[in-house]
Amino acid sequence: EDQVTQSPEALRLQEGESSSLNCSYTVSGLRGLFWYRQDPGKGPEFLFTLYSAGEEKEKERLKATLTKKESFLHITAPKPEDSATYLCALLTGGGNKLTFGTGTQLKVEL
Amino acid sequence: DTGVSQDPRHKITKRGQNVTFRCDPISEHNRLYWYRQTLGQGPEFLTYFQNEAQLEKSRLLSDRFSAERPKGSFSTLEIQRTEQGDSAMYLCASSYLPDKEETQYFGPGTRLLVL
Repeated sequence: EDQVTQSPEALRLQEGESSSLNCSYTVSGLRGLFWYRQDPGKGPEFLFTLYSAGEEKEKERLKATLTKKESFLHITAPKPEDSATYLCALLTGGGNKLTFGTGTQLKVEL
Repeated sequence: DTGVSQDPRHKITKRGQNVTFRCDPISEHNRLYWYRQTLGQGPEFLTYFQNEAQLEKSRLLSDRFSAERPKGSFSTLEIQRTEQGDSAMYLCASSYLPDKEETQYFGPGTRLLVL
């Protein structure tokens, strides 16, 4: 069965303090790994899709990378507005459902 | 804004009542998905449609749940005889086939509370 694990569960950073969130997975037939951001009481907001090991994507202060076993979401010089839950999701096999991790709750303080 | 929309945003009901939620996908998106999310968890897949055909259903979708997408546009999710365990955020997402990125875009969700 496909499994995805995110760590840490929660992370507190000072503004400007860079860090990384981890998404590790065991799947058969990875078709895509997705990162979403979710604010409290709202739906997930799409950030990135990664397809193959070695791939990297960037958007503002965020950079996502992918290996054969895990993905990292690097946050450089975060700001308080980056505070949210970051979700990792996998698209696998022949189906079309996303399998989500439980997320990392990020809080960036002044 | 032409994103995914959901209605209502919040619903409070008593145990045993029926509820229905609506989802309007992004225009021209032919795939539509329903997920359920409880506090502290990631979304869990319930079902998905390609145009009007329901192609996959999760084991989570008990007999009390039914979803439709009659004309391949909006979709409804009905829960009959609600139970307290049905309390959750119900999320709808849509995507476009043959977009090779297969990105699913989510709506704001409907938060259900069963008393």
